[in-house]
Amino acid sequence: QSALTQPASVSGSPGQSITISCTGTSSDVGGYNYVSWYQQHPGKAPKLMIYEVSNRPSGVPDRFSGSKSGNTASLTISGLQAEDEADYYCSSYTSSSTYVFGTGTKVTVL
Amino acid sequence: QVQLVQSGAEVKKPGASVKVSCKASGYTFTSYGISWVRQAPGQGLEWMGWISAYNGNTNYAQKLQGRVTMTTDTSTSTAYMELRSLRSDDTAVYYCARTVAGTIIDYWGQGTLVTVSS
Repeated sequence: QSALTQPASVSGSPGQSITISCTGTSSDVGGYNYVSWYQQHPGKAPKLMIYEVSNRPSGVPDRFSGSKSGNTASLTISGLQAEDEADYYCSSYTSSSTYVFGTGTKVTVL
Repeated sequence: QVQLVQSGAEVKKPGASVKVSCKASGYTFTSYGISWVRQAPGQGLEWMGWISAYNGNTNYAQKLQGRVTMTTDTSTSTAYMELRSLRSDDTAVYYCARTVAGTIIDYWGQGTLVTVSS
């Protein structure tokens, strides 16, 4: 199972919006609505930010939103803040009843 | 609140085995599964497999088949991951994470650093 493809880095200024893409196949992202997004700060465990494509767990700011079209999922951060600077990973359930993570995207707040 | 507390860092020699524990609290252990995910230094996340705490069913990543075993002890709400025949490229932080219906990984443990070095 190959990792899902994400851009290596994305940057934006405070207050701007950025979007991170996550491209897979019809056997993972395109086949199921079980796409999640995780935020990871250096030296910390990942934190769930979005599940089932577009749902936010309690406590996650509504600046974070998710969507999917075909084999590509996206995470949008609106009103970018300094604390949003972190690594972001997408993940998807697969047709083999396994999980696959994305390659990861480093978000930099300029 | 949901908490997953993992065992401490390990240093192992190539060819040895390691067993990492993950003690859960704050929820009904047998209503969820536990996934194991590792992260090599400076690298991304790699899914290793998951186990249902309800019935013990497992599903492992193909590349680790034959080297990894995941188990649970429902009497202590603890999950275990054993990795055998360790190699240097197994050096990583190993995370346990609660898994909802085998499809959503939500809460994560703090991670356990396993270093494989001669």
